[in-house]
Order: sequence, then C-alpha cells, then structure tokens
Amino acid sequence: AQSVTQPDIHITVSEGASLELRCNYSYGATPYLFWYVQSPGQGLQLLLKYFSGDTLVQGIKGFEAEFKRSQSSFNLRKPSVHWSDAAEYFCAVGAGANNLFFGTGTRLTVIP
Amino acid sequence: SQTIHQWPATLVQPVGSPLSLECTVEGTSNPNLYWYRQAAGRGLQLLFYSVGIGQISSEVPQNLSASRPQDRQFILSSKKLLLSDSGFYLCAWSVGGSSYNEQFFGPGTRLTVL
Repeated sequence: AQSVTQPDIHITVSEGASLELRCNYSYGATPYLFWYVQSPGQGLQLLLKYFSGDTLVQGIKGFEAEFKRSQSSFNLRKPSVHWSDAAEYFCAVGAGANNLFFGTGTRLTVIP
Repeated sequence: SQTIHQWPATLVQPVGSPLSLECTVEGTSNPNLYWYRQAAGRGLQLLFYSVGIGQISSEVPQNLSASRPQDRQFILSSKKLLLSDSGFYLCAWSVGGSSYNEQFFGPGTRLTVL
C-alpha cells in the first residue's frame, strides 16, 4: 500500500540557516512525488514535483528536492530560510490516476 | 488561467445541523475534483473524488456525501453534522485523465461544529 512518512512534526530554524525536511514514501512502482506548502488558514501551493529524469528538482521560492530511490526518500531543502517560509509543508506521492497520498506534514517555525 | 473557489470561508454549525460546502473551478473543462479534510494537527484525508458529472467515489465511510451537478461544481454535504466533522475542508482539481496527479487546491473552508 502507498504511504508517506514525514518524521518531523515540527522544525525550528533561524532565519538564514539551511533547511531540510524529510519525506519517505512507500510505493511499488515509480512514484510521482510532490511537495506542497500551506500557509496558516490557506490552501496548499505546489512547491515542486518529480515525475522522472533528473533526480534533483528545483521549485519555487528557492526550494529544491532530491529523489533517492535507494532510500525511498524525497527530502526538501533550502540553503537559506526566510521568515516568510514559516508554514506547514506536505510531501505527497501520486499513485494511480486519481490518488494523491499526503504525509502528515511538518510545521516550520523560523526564528528571527 | 484556472482558478478554484470555495465558500464559505468559515462556518460554525451546531451538532445535528445540515451542511453544504461548494467548490467551483474556472478555466478548465472536465477536471477531476477532490474533497479533502484536514483535522487539527493531522495531514490531509481524501474524502471524495469525481472524474465526471454525477460520478463520485468515496474514500472514507462517514456521514458526509458529495455531489457533482455540473462539470466544474463539487458540493460536500451532510444531513446531520457531528462534532468530529470539524476541520479544514479543501477542494482540489486536477487535469482530467492525467496520471501525473498534480492537484491544485482551493483556499479551504474552516468548519467548526459546536
């Protein structure tokens, strides 16, 4: 069965520090992988996606993620965090034509 | 460009009252439509999806129902709300028939059942 695990419920980083949010997935075939961001009280915005090809994908707002098949991971990174990056981040795996499985999310707090 | 609307933005309802949340999409045809619920401190749970008018698939048994009376309209309903129905409800759409699964989300409705 498909599943997504985000092991960190809450992460706090200082502004300007680097960031890595972890995501592990379970899926029998080649996955479609996504990272979404949700600001408080808002819908979800797509940050980046991986379908195939280059395993390092670039997204909006300076984010990137690397697909590692051997580790079943798709970790999100940013070299220098801004205060506006404080939000909740969701990793998701696409399975089949209509299914998108989400992790439970990681809440990011940015300290000035 | 495509846009997705949800209303109301917030709703406070007593236990046992009915519910109707509406979602509409503009700028695309024959989208796949989805309803998710996000409970406090939890991830997103897919409730329903629809691949066409009148076609509804339920992912989780509950006292909620969904309908798609028009191509770009998706409605979430309940006859009698429970306390456990409180949460943040998100509507989303994706390109019909796509296997890429990228979904685009609306702004959400915050439902509080008292």
